[in-house]
Amino acid sequence: QVQLQQWGAGLLEPSETLSLTCGVSGASFSGYYWAWIRQPPGQGLEWIGDVNHNGTTNYNPSLKSRVTISVDTSKSQFSLQLTSVTAADTALYYCARPPLGRRSYMDVWGKGTTVTVSS
Amino acid sequence: QSALTQPASVSGSPGQSITISCTGTSSDVGTYNYVSWYQQYPGKAPKFIIYDVNRRPSGVSNRFSGSKSGNTASLTISGLQAEDEADYYCSSYTRNSTVVFGGGTKLTVL
Repeated sequence: QVQLQQWGAGLLEPSETLSLTCGVSGASFSGYYWAWIRQPPGQGLEWIGDVNHNGTTNYNPSLKSRVTISVDTSKSQFSLQLTSVTAADTALYYCARPPLGRRSYMDVWGKGTTVTVSS
Repeated sequence: QSALTQPASVSGSPGQSITISCTGTSSDVGTYNYVSWYQQYPGKAPKFIIYDVNRRPSGVSNRFSGSKSGNTASLTISGLQAEDEADYYCSSYTRNSTVVFGGGTKLTVL
């Protein structure tokens, strides 16, 4: 059964770079897209972007200038970097995976990593 | 991209049916039959309960059903049960090859 385990720094100061990684176990890494989604406290879900095993990416236009999602197939991991963070980037960040051949919905989710931006 | 529009809250009594709407545009909901619905309990990751407008994954109760008309998709929950009390989110594929979520709806079972 596929599992996503995510990790990264949970407390950042404004202007720093958010960096999270998601490790995949129990399933093939190739052929899938891998996504990042966030949820600010008490608010709704926001799709950040995704990447496939070849490194092809798609980003939310509102975050595109600050986001990089990359993949390391040798380690079955994918990562999120978000530059110049502000308090508005404080959120629970999820890594997730759509089914094979799909991108439009996520059937596997990580447990989430809380990221707080505060001076 | 703008979030899909959902009512902030809906409520119903056990046994009743409720419907949650999800309004988008011709760039997302109106063009693609790739609308999904998620159920989220407090402190938990979302769980998908409907995909491709009206398809249910295995293990999801047939009390959950989805539909779409024009730019608006809907989730209907029939025979409401206490365990259905949760937050519900819709999502859609978009013309920009991205995914957009709705703002979420809190369902209260009275």
